[in-house]
Amino acid sequence: AQSVAQPEDQVNVAEGNPLTVKCTYSVSGNPYLFWYVQYPNRGLQFLLKYITGDNLVKGSYGFEAEFNKSQTSFHLKKPSALVSDSALYFCAVTLRGNQGGKLIFGQGTELSVKP
Amino acid sequence: GAGVSQSPSNKVTEKGKDVELRCDPISGHTALYWYRQSLGQGLEFLIYFQGNSAPDKSGLPSDRFSAERTGGSVSTLTIQRTQQEDSAVYLCASSLDSATYEQYFGPGTRLTVT
Repeated sequence: AQSVAQPEDQVNVAEGNPLTVKCTYSVSGNPYLFWYVQYPNRGLQFLLKYITGDNLVKGSYGFEAEFNKSQTSFHLKKPSALVSDSALYFCAVTLRGNQGGKLIFGQGTELSVKP
Repeated sequence: GAGVSQSPSNKVTEKGKDVELRCDPISGHTALYWYRQSLGQGLEFLIYFQGNSAPDKSGLPSDRFSAERTGGSVSTLTIQRTQQEDSAVYLCASSLDSATYEQYFGPGTRLTVT
């Protein structure tokens, strides 16, 4: 069965510092990986995805993520955090060739960026 | 352009009543998904539509839950005889097609069963 783990319920970062939100996955085949962000009382917004090719993918709002097959990880990173980055972040996976592409989500990580 | 819309935004219902939740996907998106977000269970897949067909219903938690899609557009999720454990935010998402994988989410319907 596919699964996604986000080991940290909360990440606290000072504004201007780099941030990392961790994600590991478990699938029986080749994964497609995603990061979504959820602001309070709003739906999920797509940030970035890894499908194939370069292991480092760049997304919206200056975020990037690195696919590491050997460590089965897809950590989200940003070089310099903003207070406005404070939100709930979800990592998700679907299986290549999976009919329909349903997403399996991690439990979410609350990012708090303080001034 | 317009995003995914859902109605109502909030729904409070009594235990045992039926409810209908509506989703309007982005125009031209052939794939549509329903998910449920709750404190205890996180984000869970419920059902997937390609056009008007539902090839994957594996996430529906019981036979009280059903969904349909008409005209390759609007979808309705129906919960019969609601229970308190059905309280959650129900999210709808659409994508250009199932091979695109990038899904766009609506704002959700918050369902509270009293």
